[in-house]
Amino acid sequence: SQQGEEDPQALSIQEGENATMNCSYKTSINNLQWYRQNSGRGLVHLILIRSNEREKHSGRLRVTLDTSKKSSSLLITASRAADTASYFCATDAGGYSTLTFGKGTMLLVSP
Amino acid sequence: EAGVVQSPRYKIIEKKQPVAFWCNPISGHNTLYWYRQNLGQGPELLIRYENEEAVDDSQLPKDRFSAERLKGVDSTLKIQPAELGDSAVYLCASSGDGATNEKLFFGSGTQLSVL
Repeated sequence: SQQGEEDPQALSIQEGENATMNCSYKTSINNLQWYRQNSGRGLVHLILIRSNEREKHSGRLRVTLDTSKKSSSLLITASRAADTASYFCATDAGGYSTLTFGKGTMLLVSP
Repeated sequence: EAGVVQSPRYKIIEKKQPVAFWCNPISGHNTLYWYRQNLGQGPELLIRYENEEAVDDSQLPKDRFSAERLKGVDSTLKIQPAELGDSAVYLCASSGDGATNEKLFFGSGTQLSVL
């Protein structure tokens, strides 16, 4: 079963624009992570935000977390063609649970 | 540092045939995961190992799927017999440094096509 739901399913923008993806989840979490997957490749970890954090930055990435709304957003600023990929949120409910992935947002950045 | 290595990269088989996938995690990573990813979907966990022990195999279809992680390093995932619905990408991942479920490192996956 997949806990996270990303929105939108697909996003198409021009280089230089910002891209925002959202993730909603259902149960309490220990942390939430974002991963990127280029076509035909494995997933790459981008950023982790813990349940007691509200915002986190890493380079051109900004992640927010609202535990009251059970939602997170990933902002990619000044997008590049190389950012074209699928982006997945993943939730860790803590304890003995295992990381659960959403269905992903497919981002297309056109030159 | 070498990443997670999986083989084969692609596999095409006929239904009812057996198939096996191999994974070598990052050196020192105690936790190993097998995920299955259907087209247009996110990865779904099949099994998680802590060293040699399978600590979460609740989503593994045990009638046809089996896995092992001998000596707590390499792992093999087997399907016997394969069905058409098993066509998917099988991803192996590992995590370590005592941070289970944090920052998983994924291999490139094995794309399985069952005809």
